[in-house]
Amino acid sequence: DQQVKQNSPSLSVQEGRISILNCDYTNSMFDYFLWYKKYPAEGPTFLISISSIKDKNEDGRFTVFLNKSAKHLSLHIVPSQPGDSAVYFCAAPGQTGANNLFFGTGTRLTVIP
Amino acid sequence: KAGVTQTPRYLIKTRGQQVTLSCSPISGHRSVSWYQQTPGQGLQFLFEYFSETQRNKGNFPGRFSGRQFSNSRSEMNVSTLELGDSALYLCASSLVSVNTGELFFGEGSRLTVL
Repeated sequence: DQQVKQNSPSLSVQEGRISILNCDYTNSMFDYFLWYKKYPAEGPTFLISISSIKDKNEDGRFTVFLNKSAKHLSLHIVPSQPGDSAVYFCAAPGQTGANNLFFGTGTRLTVIP
Repeated sequence: KAGVTQTPRYLIKTRGQQVTLSCSPISGHRSVSWYQQTPGQGLQFLFEYFSETQRNKGNFPGRFSGRQFSNSRSEMNVSTLELGDSALYLCASSLVSVNTGELFFGEGSRLTVL
């Protein structure tokens, strides 16, 4: 049972435009969410996180929005750059303070120059 | 600061064999967790060790096991390999937990079972 879902396997965006990656979850006990980026032949790297007590967290070009009532979060990248082309995963820890992350299946973002 | 190191990077085994994968975490990190990545399932949590004790375990059969040594290095073992065990196995380390510090992943060990 996939507790974290990314329903769009791929997304293509023009350079300079906004990229919006979506993630849904089913477990209302999740209280912390993370986004990871993965390039081919590399391990995932941490991008940005958000606690359930917030509805927005911003870090440079990256902003994550959390809608708890809809059990939905999204990652906005503005402006998108070709170097952002990668697979993006959202994830949530199974328990507070734990490292057993539930990952979505990922969205492959392609930024077209 | 050296990152998370996994060995071997690539290996090929046949069904029924066993395999041991190794992970050296970032210096000072006490938590090591393991994930399996397959094309259809994404990343799935295997288990986590903290100070040599298994702290969490995912939903995998008993053929998958692990351990952590006093220097925080970790190994995972898969016995009686099946074709479906072919995957990228990722190790991640952190100071304590994702809430206090991010998880740092290694580049993975790609296992092919023939």
